[in-house]
Amino acid sequence: TQLLEQSPQFLSIQEGENLTVYCNSSSVFSSLQWYRQEPGEGPVLLVTVVTGGEVKKLKRLTFQFGDARKDSSLHITAAQPGDTGLYLCAGEGGSGNTGKLIFGQGTTLQVKP
Amino acid sequence: DVKVTQSSRYLVKRTGEKVFLECVQDMDHENMFWYRQDPGLGLRLIYFSYDVKMKEKGDIPEGYSVSREKKERFSLILESASTNQTSMYLCASSFAGAYNQPQHFGDGTRLSIL
Repeated sequence: TQLLEQSPQFLSIQEGENLTVYCNSSSVFSSLQWYRQEPGEGPVLLVTVVTGGEVKKLKRLTFQFGDARKDSSLHITAAQPGDTGLYLCAGEGGSGNTGKLIFGQGTTLQVKP
Repeated sequence: DVKVTQSSRYLVKRTGEKVFLECVQDMDHENMFWYRQDPGLGLRLIYFSYDVKMKEKGDIPEGYSVSREKKERFSLILESASTNQTSMYLCASSFAGAYNQPQHFGDGTRLSIL
């Protein structure tokens, strides 16, 4: 069974601090997606990483896919209150192109002004 | 812009009732999904559908059924609601034509079973 473990589960920091969220698995994934969910809304895709070792940047957010494609990280530089939300990593699950995703448990980030 | 609409944001029902949650997407996506979201457990897949009238069980299908009579609409049915089905329910859709397709989510239905 493919599983994705996220850490930490909860993070509360002050505005301006840096943070890293981790997404780990013992299984290889063809790609990993990162979503952010704000209170009262559904998750929204931030980025997809596909190639082992790939690094993608989205303003102050940096996403990295591990060389072995078993793990990924999300680093936020100088966090802002607007970054508050639930961050979810997800990988394609099952055999074939079913479109099914396996989600990590999520990391709740609170950025205090 | 892509839109997935869930019929209710909040719903309160009683134990034993039959409950219908509706989801409509306007993107002509083949795949549609129902998840429940509970704190610390992430998103758990209940059922998914990859075409009209086609459905497959996800990880936690017990106590639920689904219906997909039209491509744009995917309904989740709680046959006889129980208190342990109190949760946030999320519907999503995605394009089936290639790998690495993102899922597009509705804003969720917070369901309380009393």
